[in-house]
Amino acid sequence: QKEVEQDPGPLSVPEGAIVSLNCTYSNSAFQYFMWYRQYSRKGPELLMYTYSSGNKEDGRFTAQVDKSSKYISLFIRDSQPSDSATYLCAMSAKESGGSNYKLTFGKGTLLTVNP
Amino acid sequence: DAGVIQSPRHEVTEMGQEVTLRCKPISGHNSLFWYRQTMMRGLELLIYFNNNVPIDDSGMPEDRFSAKMPNASFSTLKIQPSEPRDSAVYFCAIRRGPSTDTQYFGPGTRLTVL
Repeated sequence: QKEVEQDPGPLSVPEGAIVSLNCTYSNSAFQYFMWYRQYSRKGPELLMYTYSSGNKEDGRFTAQVDKSSKYISLFIRDSQPSDSATYLCAMSAKESGGSNYKLTFGKGTLLTVNP
Repeated sequence: DAGVIQSPRHEVTEMGQEVTLRCKPISGHNSLFWYRQTMMRGLELLIYFNNNVPIDDSGMPEDRFSAKMPNASFSTLKIQPSEPRDSAVYFCAIRRGPSTDTQYFGPGTRLTVL
């Protein structure tokens, strides 16, 4: 079983739809959870960062973490064509003996928002 | 792409040739990471440095891969000899402080080995 599982999609929605993207993980040591957005032929860029279970909202984006179920989600409200990209979840656990944080990424979900 | 320059942006080479990818952080950082991204395997960590010292190279696939960070402003990833299965996009990323694990990625180098 991979440490992080993410449905690769592709996911195609009409403009204005609510989008739900999800990842599951198996490592209970993961403490920090992130969502990166990657446009075609660009590097990933940080979109959302959460630490605790619960919801975090930033504009049209909401990140949700359920540590008991080892499940994280990203919701996009009123989706726009400019949201078309690959969304990667990432998570990290503090390494023993130090403050080094390695990120483990999901494979990414390709989202297309159609005008 | 904030804070990281990568060169070249595209590289096409023939099997057996040496390939050197370059990364130049242009803003403060304390850690530097090299990743490889393919459709099949997603984004994989190859190696990372803390304060210019290699910390974990367990992701480096073979001895054909090597990475150096001679100073805080420059790092290289070398593949010698290159093989077609090395074709991928290689990203360099930085972390800006010891208490954060968010990383900032460069634009990547798209490598094609024929």
